[in-house]
Order: sequence, then structure tokens, then C-alpha cells
Amino acid sequence: NAGVTQTPKFRVLKTGQSMTLLCAQDMNHEYMYWYRQDPGMGLRLIHYSVGEGTTAKGEVPDGYNVSRLKKQNFLLGLESAAPSQTSVYFCASSYSTRGYTFGSGTRLTVV
Amino acid sequence: KQEVTQIPAALSVPEGENLVLNCSFTDSAIYNLQWFRQDPGKGLTSLLLIQSSQREQTSGRLNASLDKSSGRSTLYIAASQPGDSATYLCAAVMYSGGGADGLTFGKGTHLIIQP
Repeated sequence: NAGVTQTPKFRVLKTGQSMTLLCAQDMNHEYMYWYRQDPGMGLRLIHYSVGEGTTAKGEVPDGYNVSRLKKQNFLLGLESAAPSQTSVYFCASSYSTRGYTFGSGTRLTVV
Repeated sequence: KQEVTQIPAALSVPEGENLVLNCSFTDSAIYNLQWFRQDPGKGLTSLLLIQSSQREQTSGRLNASLDKSSGRSTLYIAASQPGDSATYLCAAVMYSGGGADGLTFGKGTHLIIQP
């Protein structure tokens, strides 16, 4: 099925560890996004990309890095995980602003 | 900075009722507005997208309206069913000219339809 695939679905990290979340889309969308969802805070934009090789900061970028080396992939990295980064992470893609497709999420716990 | 507010935060109604979910936004210069559904522990499913030039969109029992001048959108659900129970999210899109800035979300309305 066409869509947005996120890996992994679940992960537990220790404080200070690093990891990379992978988002892949097969719809040839130009735009890709990383959001985090926290209780009481809603969904907030971390970083986004408007095309291969480009990235930009969203509302809550601190502690995260991203890369878009291939059009279909958008990677979110945590260099030194902190408990405050415990969250559910969602990737999304869109063709311009014509509607967004979301992945099923990655549930990350940092202990 | 765009802010999106959804009222009510939670709603519980008997099956069969028609209901309205409200969404307001502070910056009327939106590019479009999108409604999503999120089931517990799941991702977001797009329900309706309203372009800034449109006033409403319909899909089955769902109807969404947009009034940019007043900064409001509503999602109308007709003849509600227990399967409609979920969290409904409203999101506004601003267009910066250099590319999409992504969605600004409200915190959602948690809807329970009682059988």
C-alpha cells in the first residue's frame, strides 16, 4: 500500500544514547515533516523538508537533527536522548500543501 | 504565530445524534485547513481538506466548513455511530512562499459516541 512508513514503531532508550528514526514515503511527495505528540501539548512540528537536500526548523527543533539525502526518506536523529524527548513521533508527507499523509508513529521512551 | 483552538476538548453523546466540533484559528491568512481523525495509539487519518478559496467540503456523513474572516471551521457529523469515537484534530496550513510550513494543530476534541 502506498503511504508513509515509519521505523521503528517502538523504542526504549537510556538517557544519553543516540538513535535515528526513519521515515519513508512512496508517493513522490516533495514535502516531509517530523512532529511530536505529547499529552496536553498536541502535535508540534520539529523539522521539515521542502525537497531533497533541504531541511528547516519547526517549532521545537532543539535536540534533534534531520537529513533528506533521498527524496523518499526523511531521517530524524537524536544525538543524546533526554527524558523530555519521550513522546510519540509522527512523520508526514505532502505534495505542496494539498493534503498530508501521516505515518503510524514511533513511540519513544527515554529512561 | 498561528494558534489553533478546538472546543470542546471532550464530548460524549448518544448514538444517532448530529454533532458539531469547533475549530478557531488566530491568523486568517491560511492556505488550507484540514480535519483529521486519530484513534487511540494510532496515526492520523485525513478526513477533509478545505482550500482557502472554498467554504465547505463533504464526505459521507461529514461536512466541514471554513470561514476565514471569522477564523473558524466546524466539522459536522450526522447520525453519529459508535465507530465515530476518536479524537478529531483540526490543523491549519500557512504558506510562506518558499514552501509549506507544515500544519499547526489544535489539541483535539475527544469524542465518545455511546451505543
